[in-house]
This record gives sequence, C-alpha cells and structure tokens, in this order.
Amino acid sequence: AQRVTQPEKLLSVFKGAPVELKCNYSYSGSPELFWYVQYSRQRLQLLLRHISRESIKGFTADLNKGETSFHLKKPFAQEEDSAMYYCALSTILTGGGNKLTFGTGTQLKVEL
Amino acid sequence: GAGVSQSPSNKVTEKGKDVELRCDPISGHTALYWYRQSLGQGLEFLIYFQGNSAPDKSGLPSDRFSAERTGGSVSTLTIQRTQQEDSAVYLCASSLNPFAGGTDTQYFGPGTRLTVL
Repeated sequence: AQRVTQPEKLLSVFKGAPVELKCNYSYSGSPELFWYVQYSRQRLQLLLRHISRESIKGFTADLNKGETSFHLKKPFAQEEDSAMYYCALSTILTGGGNKLTFGTGTQLKVEL
Repeated sequence: GAGVSQSPSNKVTEKGKDVELRCDPISGHTALYWYRQSLGQGLEFLIYFQGNSAPDKSGLPSDRFSAERTGGSVSTLTIQRTQQEDSAVYLCASSLNPFAGGTDTQYFGPGTRLTVL
C-alpha cells in the first residue's frame, strides 16, 4: 500500500532563510508526486507536480527514487510562504481516476 | 470562473442522525472526488466518480457512507447514523481529465466541517 510521510508538523524559519519541507513516500510502482498548499482561510491548491519539473513561487521539488523522497525547497523564504504544505502521491483508480494519498502536512511559518 | 463549491460550510449534528453534504464541481469537469480530513490526520480518499461510470467506492470507511452524482454534475455524500468519529472536514475535488495521470489537476472545494455531538 502507498504511504506518504511528512516528519515535521511545524517548520519555523526566518525571512530570507532557505526552506526545505521533507516528504518521503512508500510505493511499489512508478510514483507521481505533488505538493499542495493551503494558505490561511483559503482552499487547498496545487503548488507543483514532479512531472512538470518546474519552479512555482520559487519552490522546487526533485523526485529522488533512491531515497524515496520528494522534498520541497526554496532558497529564500518570504512571509507570504507561511501556509500548510501537503505532499501527495497519486495512484490510478478503477476507471482511470487518480487517488491522492496525502501526508499529514507541515505548517510553515516564516518569521520576520 | 467559479471553482468547486460545497454546502453547507459547517454542519453540527447529533450522534445517530443522518447528514447530507453537497458538492458542485467545476463546470465541464468529468471527475469528482470526495476526501475527508480528520483531526491530526492527512486527507484520506473516500470515493471517485467519472462521468456516468460506476463509482470507485474503495475508500468509504463503512456502509453508513454513500454518495451519488446526479447527471454527471452535483454530488451528495450521505452519512447515516453519524458517529463521533465521523467528525472531520469533508473535501470535494473535481478534475478535467482523470486519464491524464500526473498532468491532471484536482481542484478542491472549501470543505464542509462536520461535527457530531
């Protein structure tokens, strides 16, 4: 069965400091991984997906199959990055849908 | 355009009562998902609808939970004889092309917070 682990419930950094939100997964197949973000009083939204290999709002994430990790990184944290971040693994459902298995989330707090 | 909407935003009910939660997906999205987030836990998948096909119910925790999707659009999640452990935030998501795998995006609604007293 698939599993996503985010070891940190809370990560507090100072503005301008580097950020790394950890995510490890367990899955026997070829993983498709995502980072979702939920800002205060907003709905859950997609931040980035590993298949796109892009940088969104300065964040990047590299899939490391050897370490089964998909850590989210940003070189210089901004105050507006404060939010709850969820790592998610997608697996195929009957009928072609994509079931997302989420980690428990990491609350990022960027302090001035 | 309008995103996924859910109603009610909050629901307080007594143990043993039935509740219905509603989801309006983004227009044109063929796929609809229900997830729930219990206190201290990550989101867990409940059920998936694709067009007029039979739903994938593999995530429903018990037979007290059921869902339907009428006309390929609006969906209702029903919980019968609610228990205190059903208290959670119930999230609905829709997507345009579930067959696109990792390139498909699920768009989430604001959720319904259910409290069972």
